[in-house]
Amino acid sequence: AQKITQTQPGMFVQEKEAVTLDCTYDTSDPSYGLFWYKQPSSGEMIFLIYQGSYDQQNATEGRYSLNFQKARKSANLVISASQLGDSAMYFCAVRKGSNYKLTFGKGTLLTVNP
Amino acid sequence: GAGVSQSPRYKVAKRGQDVALRCDPISGHVSLFWYQQALGQGPEFLTYFQNEAQLDKSGLPSDRFFAERPEGSVSTLKIQRTQQEDSAVYLCASSPGRLAGREQFFGPGTRLTVL
Repeated sequence: AQKITQTQPGMFVQEKEAVTLDCTYDTSDPSYGLFWYKQPSSGEMIFLIYQGSYDQQNATEGRYSLNFQKARKSANLVISASQLGDSAMYFCAVRKGSNYKLTFGKGTLLTVNP
Repeated sequence: GAGVSQSPRYKVAKRGQDVALRCDPISGHVSLFWYQQALGQGPEFLTYFQNEAQLDKSGLPSDRFFAERPEGSVSTLKIQRTQQEDSAVYLCASSPGRLAGREQFFGPGTRLTVL
């Protein structure tokens, strides 16, 4: 079974600064995918970024980048130039191979201060 | 185009009542998922449909939970004889293909409160 650990229940960052949200995972499968989702107070889960276990380079999507350290089983999300609208819950998730189930962590509540 | 929609957005039920939660996936999406998100937790998988076929219901917590997708589009999650521990946000997601794609598109969820 897959397991995701997000050790930071809450994080604060000043507007325009960068922030790193931690995620470690535990899976015995050699092929897996890692996801980050944002959940604002409105409730929907918004896909941010994806990293495949065989991808050679760290994924980037605009202001989001994923610091993927495979040997450490770590997939931290880096948000650059934080904006007030980034305040939300952030969830890390893992999916085994071509399976369809996402296993989520407990999330990190990010607050961006003006 | 329209995203995944869910209704109602909020539902209050008395313990023992039956409830039905609706999900309208993105048009043409083959795969549909239901997740349960308890307060302060991440979503947990409940069940998966590929078109009208329910291929995995391993996450349904009890036989009081039942899901269907009879025509391969709209899906309904039904909870019979609701209990307080059923209080949660129920999220629906869809994705275009049969195999797992890069992302699942989520709806806004239905917040169920059982009194």
